[in-house]
Amino acid sequence: GQQLNQSPQSMFIQEGEDVSMNCTSSSIFNTWLWYKQDPGEGPVLLIALYKAGELTSNGRLTAQFGITRKDSFLNISASIPSDVGIYFCAGPLTGFQKLVFGTGTRLLVSP
Amino acid sequence: NAGVTQTPKFQVLKTGQSMTLQCAQDMNHEYMSWYRQDPGMGLRLIHYSVGAGITDQGEVPNGYNVSRSTTEDFPLRLLSAAPSQTSVYFCASRKGGQSYGYTFGSGTRLTVV
Repeated sequence: GQQLNQSPQSMFIQEGEDVSMNCTSSSIFNTWLWYKQDPGEGPVLLIALYKAGELTSNGRLTAQFGITRKDSFLNISASIPSDVGIYFCAGPLTGFQKLVFGTGTRLLVSP
Repeated sequence: NAGVTQTPKFQVLKTGQSMTLQCAQDMNHEYMSWYRQDPGMGLRLIHYSVGAGITDQGEVPNGYNVSRSTTEDFPLRLLSAAPSQTSVYFCASRKGGQSYGYTFGSGTRLTVV
């Protein structure tokens, strides 16, 4: 089936550092979504991207829809301890009836 | 407005037992899905529904049944629990026509011994 590969698998950074992660697919997507999962909770939508080349920000988070439509990138600037969690990319299949998720990037932030 | 509510939050089953994970949403969302989350594997789709009376299989449907008799509820049934079904289960819902993704419940952590 569809597979979204995320890298890196995990990151351990110091508070204040910037973070970059990416998501790649073997297939084209027309929408990219980025979710964050806090420990013990369900994923929460951070950013949605709808157009190739689009760059969208949500506070300290910026995501980009790759030109090839097979990848997407998420950057976090000036990280803080509450950024800790797992970040997932996701893409819709079958007219948004279902989502396929990436394998996740686990972020740890040291105060 | 409670969003997506999953019960129970934790459950331990013995191999071979059956049980139903409950999911309810109060947002009048047409689309509902069940995912399981295992370490290093992201979230994998088990079953999904695009409206009352309509369900379909996802990526990993074996060992699970669903039904959608009302818009609000989408229960997931484990027919005969196996240790391989030890996982965290998430229910999610979305309004039809919206393109910004699903709202997730807080999950059910299931252990099969």
